[in-house]
Amino acid sequence: RKEVEQDPGPFNVPEGATVAFNCTYSNSASQSFFWYRQDCRKEPKLLMSVYSSGNEDGRFTAQLNRASQYISLLIRDSKLSDSATYLCVVTPWTGKLIFGQGTTLQVKP
Amino acid sequence: GAVVSQHPSWVICKSGTSVKIECRSLDFQATTMFWYRQFPKQSLMLMATSNEGSKATYEQGVEKDKFLINHASLTLSTLTVTSAHPEDSSFYICSARERGQGKNYGYTFGSGTRLTVV
Repeated sequence: RKEVEQDPGPFNVPEGATVAFNCTYSNSASQSFFWYRQDCRKEPKLLMSVYSSGNEDGRFTAQLNRASQYISLLIRDSKLSDSATYLCVVTPWTGKLIFGQGTTLQVKP
Repeated sequence: GAVVSQHPSWVICKSGTSVKIECRSLDFQATTMFWYRQFPKQSLMLMATSNEGSKATYEQGVEKDKFLINHASLTLSTLTVTSAHPEDSSFYICSARERGQGKNYGYTFGSGTRLTVV
């Protein structure tokens, strides 16, 4: 079983749609959780950290459920510029980043 | 914000030669730097963890004699791919976190190096 699992997609949605990505992780001792965004042939960029209390940044909302070892990302009012691969990332106590496979989002006009 | 400068951005080399990739933290001290490799349509896979002033820690299955890592200062880490072969062609990328930042701060990535071995 992979340490971090994501549905690779692709998710094809129209502009303005709301889309949700899910991620599960296997190590219950994981300490930190992130969503990164990666554009084609570019480096990943931090989108947001994820907390148990849930956190929101504009159109993006992230949620962590430690009991279920589940992380989610909700994007509201999708824009064309949101098209990218979204990486679920988990950090154990070692500080290493463990990446999921990524979920590809394609927002269409 | 924190910036990690990675060079070169891309390199094409002949099979059997060595290639050095540099990552510099420009405005912060990086005690630890991580090196990743990404094949097309796959996720980033951690190769090794580089600690300033000590030997790197390699992930299982990564040959330490082939992928030489040096982290001689708090702002510079290098990865040398020795005797490169076509199967080493990949996207190599480093990441670091500013010393003292909390665990939820996130890491800064270099811009990556696309290596093609012919």
